[in-house]
Amino acid sequence: NAGVTQTPKFQVLKTGQSMTLQCAQDMNHNSMYWYRQDPGMGLRLIYYSASEGTTDKGEVPNGYNVSRLNKREFSLRLESAAPSQTSVYFCASSLQGVVEAFFGQGTRLTVV
Amino acid sequence: KQEVTQIPAALSVPEGENLVLNCSFTDSAIYNLQWFRQDPGKGLTSLLLIQSSQREQTSGRLNASLDKSSGRSTLYIAASQPGDSATYLCAVTTNAGKSTFGDGTTLTVKP
Repeated sequence: NAGVTQTPKFQVLKTGQSMTLQCAQDMNHNSMYWYRQDPGMGLRLIYYSASEGTTDKGEVPNGYNVSRLNKREFSLRLESAAPSQTSVYFCASSLQGVVEAFFGQGTRLTVV
Repeated sequence: KQEVTQIPAALSVPEGENLVLNCSFTDSAIYNLQWFRQDPGKGLTSLLLIQSSQREQTSGRLNASLDKSSGRSTLYIAASQPGDSATYLCAVTTNAGKSTFGDGTTLTVKP
């Protein structure tokens, strides 16, 4: 029972490099989310997808893009990484927006 | 803008003690409140979810209460164990599905 799977678990990027964080869920959930977690700032929503084919900005979308590839997969892309994007990134999913959310194990990203 | 505050930021107790973690929120127009556990270097695991129409939820040694009118929730842990050591986060969700998280309380239970 995999739940929400994120890849990679760790990544080090140089400033200006690009990368895509992958997320997949096997619970047939409609809604998927990308958060970042920073010390003293809690979890902040970057983007979310209420259903397949839709995406919306969250609280801190600048510097990121997302793709809801299909119902299972929701990717987060950093086009030109900056040190301010050093963080732990979590993907989450829920059956619909207002019910229990399930989280992946996180991706620890360092931008140098 | 919804703000969620968790007090204390850190708590250390001896094994066996009962304890209460607090969560307060500024906008009472919520759909539900969820308590999570986060172990170091890991993701969030859902512990309890309370709908806005409910007053409390229980799971084993955990009991969460919700007072929507005063903007408060508590997580009660009975007979604490070293395995309960973790960071506990609360999150409130609006009718539109937007969730706001607190910064968490880091609990250490000493053997």
